[in-house]
Amino acid sequence: NAGVTQTPKFQVLKTGQSMTLQCAQDMNHNSMYWYRQDPGMGLRLIYYSASEGTTDKGEVPNGYNVSRLNKREFSLRLESAAPSQTSVYFCASKTSGGAIEQFFGPGTRLTVL
Amino acid sequence: RKEVEQDPGPFNVPEGATVAFNCTYSNSASQSFFWYRQDCRKEPKLLMSVYSSGNEDGRFTAQLNRASQYISLLIRDSKLSDSATYLCVVSGEYGNKLVFGAGTILRVKS
Repeated sequence: NAGVTQTPKFQVLKTGQSMTLQCAQDMNHNSMYWYRQDPGMGLRLIYYSASEGTTDKGEVPNGYNVSRLNKREFSLRLESAAPSQTSVYFCASKTSGGAIEQFFGPGTRLTVL
Repeated sequence: RKEVEQDPGPFNVPEGATVAFNCTYSNSASQSFFWYRQDCRKEPKLLMSVYSSGNEDGRFTAQLNRASQYISLLIRDSKLSDSATYLCVVSGEYGNKLVFGAGTILRVKS
């Protein structure tokens, strides 16, 4: 039982390049989330998926797209990376039915030059 | 104004000390409250939920004051292993989304 896994762990991009961050969970959770964490800012929600087949914008969605591929997988795509997207990205999941614990993946450290 | 505000610290305390963190939140419709712990360069993990009546888990005590919209965390008999960033977390009105504070850094020294 791996919990929430993310790939890659580290990535360096040049401005304008694109990439997809992958996230998968094996806990049969319905809801999945993408956050970014910047110094002094806390975690900010980018997009979330309350259930398979649905996605919604969070606090900072601009410059990102997401795909809920199936119940297990939720990917985050940067179409044209910008230096302002340098951050640590965390994926999380939780079961449905109210605000209970979210389980986080180990994070992806992304640098955009 | 941030939705969840915390003193960033750092709080530098000796082993065995008692330390308290506070946090304030702005959304009076928030229903659920948590403290998460985040070790350096690691993912956040749930430390404890916070209930209106207050709750304790070993050396950790959490309190909620809905009228004043603040949450507290008390750590007694601090250990070196308590060194981490403590995130105050509040749910939205419908509970599906969480709002995170920026965190309070705790450093416990021998």
